[in-house]
Formats: sequence, structure tokens, C-alpha cells
Amino acid sequence: QKEVEQDPGPLSVPEGAIVSLNCTYSNSAFQYFMWYRQYSRKGPELLMYTYSSGNKEDGRFTAQVDKSSKYISLFIRDSQPSDSATYLCAMRGEYGNKLVFGAGTILRVKS
Amino acid sequence: GAVVSQHPSWVICKSGTSVKIECRSLDFQATTMFWYRQFPKQSLMLMATSNEGSKATYEQGVEKDKFLINHASLTLSTLTVTSAHPEDSSFYICSASGASGRAQYFGPGTRLTVT
Repeated sequence: QKEVEQDPGPLSVPEGAIVSLNCTYSNSAFQYFMWYRQYSRKGPELLMYTYSSGNKEDGRFTAQVDKSSKYISLFIRDSQPSDSATYLCAMRGEYGNKLVFGAGTILRVKS
Repeated sequence: GAVVSQHPSWVICKSGTSVKIECRSLDFQATTMFWYRQFPKQSLMLMATSNEGSKATYEQGVEKDKFLINHASLTLSTLTVTSAHPEDSSFYICSASGASGRAQYFGPGTRLTVT
């Protein structure tokens, strides 16, 4: 079993839909949780960064962390074709600096 | 803020030659830099971690003599692929984190093709 599980998709939604992307993990020591967006042939771009459990909102993006369930989510409101990309979840423990990545979910927003 | 650049963005080299890739943090001091490799439609594979002024720590299975990493300053790390072969063709991405070490900020990547 992988430390971080993420459905690779692809996930196809119509423009304007609310998108829900998720990751589950097995290591209870993870404390820092990140979501990255990666366009084809580009480096990942940090979208959201959260510490421990809770919610964080930034514009159309909301990140949720439920440590009791070992489950994190990224919601995208009013999705746009420009949101079409691969979304990677990543996490790490309190100490150390290595990130553990999910496989990435391919999102396609159709106009 | 938190901008990381890489140079070159793509490079083609002949088998047996060496190629150097630069990674720079433009607006913050990167105490730690990371080098990843990514194959098509796959996630990121960490190759090595380097702290400024120290030797890099390589992941298991990564040949340290083949992939030379130098992190001589707080804003610059280099990856040199020595005696490159076609199987080294890949997308190489660096990332950097500051003193807090919490989030990693990625560069745009370098596509290496070895002919």
C-alpha cells in the first residue's frame, strides 16, 4: 500500500462545476499538507499549504484536512478550462523536509 | 514571491557528454534544494536533497557519481548529468525551501534529451 493514495483520473467536468480532488494517507505523522498544480511540461505550482487539520480558503480554492480520517481535499469553485492540469497532493511530517507525493489527478474542465 | 528558476528549459546532448542544469531561488534564500526526475504521466521521483554548503543526500538507487549536485550558495544549486546516455532522458525539476522548510517551491523544469 502506498503512503499516499490519489486517484489518477482523468476527471472531466463542465466549466463552472465545483471540483473535488482527494488524497488519503496512512502515516499519522504527516502534519504539513500541500496541493500543487502542474501543467503539461511545467514544474508544479504551489496552490495551497495547510498545517494539521482544518480548512483554508484562497479565492476559488479551498483545502480541507481531516487528520482523524487521514483524508485531504481540494475544492475548486467555478472551474475554468484554464484549471485543466494535473493536481498533486503532497505531505510531510513535523520534522524532516522530504515530501511524499500522490500520483496526481488529471483534471479536464470542458467549456 | 517564492520564485525558482531553472536553466536551461530544454537541452539536447549527445551520448557520453555531460550537461549541467542550474536552479536558482530568485527572491528568497534556499537553505535546502531538491532535485526530482519525472517520467511521462508519472509523479515526481526525488533524486537528492542538498543543503547549502553540504554534500547532497541521494535517494536509494540514484548514482551519486552520475548525478553530481552542488549547492554552493543560498540561491544556486546545480545538477550535472555526467556521461549522459539515452536512458537519462527525462524531465528534471528542482525545488527549494527556505529557512522554515515547510513548503517547497518548484522550478519550471528542464527537459533533457540524450541522443
